[in-house]
Amino acid sequence: GAVVSQHPSRVICKSGTSVKIECRSLDFQATTMFWYRQFPKQSLMLMATSNEGSKATYEQGVEKDKFLINHASLTLSTLTVTSAHPEDSSFYICSADSGVGYTFGSGTRLTVV
Amino acid sequence: QQQVKQSPQSLIVQKGGISIINCAYENTAFDYFPWYQQFPGKGPALLIAIRPDVSEKKEGRFTISFNKSAKQFSLHIMDSQPGDSATYFCAADTSGNTPLVFGKGTRLSVIA
Repeated sequence: GAVVSQHPSRVICKSGTSVKIECRSLDFQATTMFWYRQFPKQSLMLMATSNEGSKATYEQGVEKDKFLINHASLTLSTLTVTSAHPEDSSFYICSADSGVGYTFGSGTRLTVV
Repeated sequence: QQQVKQSPQSLIVQKGGISIINCAYENTAFDYFPWYQQFPGKGPALLIAIRPDVSEKKEGRFTISFNKSAKQFSLHIMDSQPGDSATYFCAADTSGNTPLVFGKGTRLSVIA
């Protein structure tokens, strides 16, 4: 089946540093990748939509300068959390339409200390 | 404005029983209704999905019932097992590579 590989699964970083999260579609081409954020015991909150070769579209209230999204190829999209702070600690998940439904990555648990 | 309303928020079911989770939507343009299962620390996994041209879809122990006129759909888990304990999300989408609209989730606990 369609797989979206997301790395890292867990990351702990110091406040003020940047963290990059990668999502790769392994057996299909993803022209669009959706990035979500999920707080404990809550639903998924859409942060942004990335399209291959163009600028990402951010949801209202999401800082585009803090959450940098790059979709350089049809199989790779990255989310960089810049100058991370403790309030950025969360579970980040990517998703893409594989043609047989939306496939999600396994998520990245970011902890900023 | 929440476009997909999901209930209950949490559910406890005895092993072997039937788990039922309900969702209601408002946007009549939605034409794809998936259910996702999420275990702690993992991404959501597609469980089963339905389109509005059918009223029911069954895959193993999982069944979606769809009522287009009422704008409601539900997930039934037959013979519920402890391994089914997870959070379940309903979602809805319109055609065209647009993001899913999620319900708030239901935490299911199946007890022996």
